[in-house]
Amino acid sequence: DTGVSQDPRHKITKRGQNVTFRCDPISEHNRLYWYRQTLGQGPEFLTYFQNEAQLEKSRLLSDRFSAERPKGSFSTLEIQRTEQGDSAMYLCASGRTEREWNEQFFGPGTRLTVL
Amino acid sequence: AQSVTQLDSQVPVFEEAPVELRCNYSSSVSVYLFWYVQYPNQGLQLLLKYLSGSTLVKGINGFEAEFNKSQTSFHLRKPSVHISDTAEYFCAVSKAAGNKLTFGGGTRVLVKP
Repeated sequence: DTGVSQDPRHKITKRGQNVTFRCDPISEHNRLYWYRQTLGQGPEFLTYFQNEAQLEKSRLLSDRFSAERPKGSFSTLEIQRTEQGDSAMYLCASGRTEREWNEQFFGPGTRLTVL
Repeated sequence: AQSVTQLDSQVPVFEEAPVELRCNYSSSVSVYLFWYVQYPNQGLQLLLKYLSGSTLVKGINGFEAEFNKSQTSFHLRKPSVHISDTAEYFCAVSKAAGNKLTFGGGTRVLVKP
C-alpha cells in the first residue's frame, strides 16, 4: 500500500493557461474523489468516480473544470483558462465501496497558484 | 443537503491539558461522521469515524468523540495533549457509505509548552 499520490505537488501558472493534475489512488480502491481547499477553509467536494464512471459533480464546479478516470485507475483534473480564484490546494482521495470501508484516504495535494 | 459547523476556528491549549473541539451538523437524513487531522504541510489523515453502534468512538493518538443525535453534535476530545497534536482538525459528514464528504471549516489547535 503506497498511498494516494498526486502530481505535481506545486503548480504556478499564468491566468488564462490550462493546467492538468494527476492522481494515482490506492490500487484496490474503486472510488476516487477530488476536493479543493482554499486557505483557512475546509476541503470542498468537486467530483467523484466509481471505477471509470463519474457519479457526481459539484454544482459549484464551472464548465472550465473537467475530470476523467479512463481506465478506472488514475484520474486527471483539468482546469481550462485558469483564473486567480482557482488558486487552491487540490486534493485527491480514494476509497472502497464496501460498507465497512467507509474511509477516504487522501493524497498530499497539488497546490495551484494562478498569477 | 448536509452542512457542518465547527464552532471554534482556533483553540490554544497548554501541553498536557485536555482539549475539546466542537462540531455540529445539519442533515435531513442519517449521516456518517468523521474527524480528520491535517498536520502542517501534510495530507488529511483519519482520526476516527462513527458509522453506527456505540456513540463513543475511540480513534488514533488518544482521541475520542461522542455522537449525540439529539444535539446533532460530534465533539472531539483528548484528555491530555502533546506538542505534536498541533494541527488543523476537520469534522466531516457523509450521507452514505462511500459518498462525498462535507467538511466543516476546521479548528486550528496550537499546543503551547
